[in-house]
Amino acid sequence: AQSVTQPDIHITVSEGASLELRCNYSYGATPYLFWYVQSPGQGLQLLLKYFSGDTLVQGIKGFEAEFKRSQSSFNLRKPSVHWSDAAEYFCAVGFGTASKLTFGTGTRLQVTL
Amino acid sequence: GAVVSQHPSRVICKSGTSVKIECRSLDFQATTMFWYRQFPKQSLMLMATSNEGSKATYEQGVEKDKFLINHASLTLSTLTVTSAHPEDSSFYICSALKRTGTSEQYFGPGTRLTVT
Repeated sequence: AQSVTQPDIHITVSEGASLELRCNYSYGATPYLFWYVQSPGQGLQLLLKYFSGDTLVQGIKGFEAEFKRSQSSFNLRKPSVHWSDAAEYFCAVGFGTASKLTFGTGTRLQVTL
Repeated sequence: GAVVSQHPSRVICKSGTSVKIECRSLDFQATTMFWYRQFPKQSLMLMATSNEGSKATYEQGVEKDKFLINHASLTLSTLTVTSAHPEDSSFYICSALKRTGTSEQYFGPGTRLTVT
């Protein structure tokens, strides 16, 4: 069965510092890959997605992610974090069209001023 | 756009009663909607897949008689928690597929259910 791993439960960075959130998946084929952000008590907002093509994907709010097939990874990056980026971040994978999503356990980002 | 709403955003009910949560796609048709449950500080767990005009498909371990799902139209799916108990208290989130052929789900803002 497919699985998604986010090894970092909690990350703290200073405002203005760079950020990288890790995501690894387990599956035989290339899945559809997503990063979502969730603020407390809110639903999920899509940051970016990868279906095919260029492995470096640009998203909203200055985020980007790179798909590395050899490492089965889809890490999320941002060069300069803002205090408003503090939230929970979820990596998710889907397989095939109109498919169910499997979510990672999430990484809580704290930003210090 | 692709906006999904949920109603209510927050509900408190007494143990033994039933509560209905609505999920609507406001500006697109959704043949498929998904219902997730999220426990505090945990990830989203898929409960069921709701297909317009047919029975929902439940994930293993989810009681279909307890969590009734109806997808009566292309813009509305409902989740009814029957005979609710305190352990059903959770954050319920729905999502909708904007169209077939893609895997991009649009999520609602969630419903906080508290059973007393």
